[in-house]
Formats: sequence, structure tokens, C-alpha cells
Amino acid sequence: AQKVTQAQTEISVVEKEDVTLDCVYETRDTTYYLFWYKQPPSGELVFLIRRNSFDEQNEISGRYSWNFQKSTSSFNFTITASQVVDSAVYFCALIDNAGNMLTFGGGTRLMVKP
Amino acid sequence: EPEVTQTPSHQVTQMGQEVILRCVPISNHLYFYWYRQILGQKVEFLVSFYNNEISEKSEIFDDQFSVERPDGSNFTLKIRSTKLEDSAMYFCASTLFPPGQGGYAEAFFGQGTRLTVV
Repeated sequence: AQKVTQAQTEISVVEKEDVTLDCVYETRDTTYYLFWYKQPPSGELVFLIRRNSFDEQNEISGRYSWNFQKSTSSFNFTITASQVVDSAVYFCALIDNAGNMLTFGGGTRLMVKP
Repeated sequence: EPEVTQTPSHQVTQMGQEVILRCVPISNHLYFYWYRQILGQKVEFLVSFYNNEISEKSEIFDDQFSVERPDGSNFTLKIRSTKLEDSAMYFCASTLFPPGQGGYAEAFFGQGTRLTVV
């Protein structure tokens, strides 16, 4: 069975601070995909990134960066110089090669104060 | 950019009533999914659908739920007799390829339908 844990339920930062959202996953498969989604107050799920299990390269996209470490089963997400518009709930998710569904973590609510 | 469309965006219904949530997946996609998110909680898988039949379903997807692709473009989720605890945001998603072939890497989610049962 697969599982995704986001230990931080809520984080509050002041604008321009850097913030890291943690994600730890469990799966028995060697092939799997990891995702991050953003859910703004309007409620939709906005895809941010996917990473497959064979690609451990870290990725940077603007102010966003992701650190994938198979050795610790973690896929952490860092926002640099946070902005108020980053305020949202962020979900980490996993699908393995045999699975037919995304398993989501519990989400981390990020509040960025001006 | 192609998108998954869900209607309505918000539905209020009385307990015991039947509701149908509608989704138009991306036109050339073959695999369809419904997920549910109770307010403040995580997103949970309900059901996947391929080739006009259910591929997989979760424990949440009991006999009160059904899915259908009635006309080749719409994908619907029906709740036969709604309960208060069915109040949630329901998300539809679609992919071109099956998940085992990395297809889920290209999953697209709709904007959700917020169902309120009173």
C-alpha cells in the first residue's frame, strides 16, 4: 500500500521568507511518480510538478524548487521569497506503477502574511 | 490548453435526493477518475473508469455511487440518495494513457463541484 505524509498541517511565514514544505512517502514499487498540487482558496487543484522515481535531479522553476531524495523517501518543496499569492493548501501525492489512483497527503496550509 | 470541465460548480441538495455531477474530460483521453475532498481534509480517490467500465474503486464508492459515460463526451458521477456526509468537493480527472505506463503523469483535474447536502 502507498502512503503520503505531510507532517506540517499549517505554516505561517512573513512575505519574502523562504519556506519548505515536507513530504514523505511510502511505496513498495520501484517505479512511481510524485506530484505537488496547489489548492488556492478558490478550491481547484493546480498541478505544480511531477517527478518519476528514476529521476532524482532536483528541479527549480522560478521561486519554486523541489528536492527529491529516494534514500529518505522524501520530496520536499521550497518556495523562495514567498509572496501573499502563495497562500494556499499544498498537497503532495504519489502514484505507483501498479496503482490506478493518486494517493494524496493530508496537505499543508501555507499562510504568507504581508 | 485543453481542460477538464465540471458542472455545476456548486450544487445544494436535500438529504435523500439524487444528484448527478457532470464532467467533460479532455477529448482524446481514455481514463477517467473521480476524487472527493471533504472540507479541510485530503483528496481521496473514489473511482477510475476505462473502456466503459470501472477499473478500480475505493471503499468510499459504495452502492450509493455510480459512474457513467453516457454519450462519449460526458463522464458523470451519480449519488443515489445523498447523505449529509456526502458534502464535499468532487474532482474529475482524465488521462490519455493508463497510470502504469506513466500516463498519470499527464492527468488533468477539473475545477471541482462543491456539493452541499442539507
